[in-house]
Amino acid sequence: QVQLVESGGGVVQPGGSLRLSCAASGFTFSSYGMHWVRQAPGKGLEWVAFIRYDGSNKYYADSVKGRFTISRDNSKNTLYLQMNSLRAEDTAVYYCAKDQLRGAIHWGQGTLVTVSS
Amino acid sequence: AIRMTQSPSSFSASTGDRVTITCRASQGISSYLAWYQQKPGKAPKLLIYAASTLQSGVPSRFSGSGSGTDFTLTISCLQSEDFATYYCQQYYSYPTWTFGQGTKVEIK
Repeated sequence: QVQLVESGGGVVQPGGSLRLSCAASGFTFSSYGMHWVRQAPGKGLEWVAFIRYDGSNKYYADSVKGRFTISRDNSKNTLYLQMNSLRAEDTAVYYCAKDQLRGAIHWGQGTLVTVSS
Repeated sequence: AIRMTQSPSSFSASTGDRVTITCRASQGISSYLAWYQQKPGKAPKLLIYAASTLQSGVPSRFSGSGSGTDFTLTISCLQSEDFATYYCQQYYSYPTWTFGQGTKVEIK
């Protein structure tokens, strides 16, 4: 069955960096686009970034453009989110999700990123 | 950017009630709309895609309708497990997504 497992969250100071990972299994990872979606504590869902199946194209929300980089290693079945210049407002649970062209059926359990001094 | 506005933001209902949540897009999105259910501490669960197509395994008491800018999610007979927060999501601007702000359904 499809499994997505995020890791790499933690506490980081404002201006710091963090790299999230999403380990995928149970499907042909290299055939699917992947998303990152985040949710601030007590708030709604916010789409963050998307990468095509082969890494050829990447898309970002305006709120993270220039600071976050999405990437993937299809040989390792792993999706990444490099987060730089972190701000307090980046504090959230970060989910990876498998693209299905019509939304996402499969999501990870999420990893919490806290930006605080 | 396309904005999605849900109403109401929250409401209370009783088991057995028929409930309707609305979602409005800031521009026409045809039927490129999905609905999700989210429970505390859990990832979202896809309920409906293409505005009205029920995802496999989702109970038939859930239904969706609409196209263009106005959409609705209806739960025909609210069950205890349906108390949750619901989000609409547009994928007209694929591969970018926009979510509504969420509607929390609470127990009366």
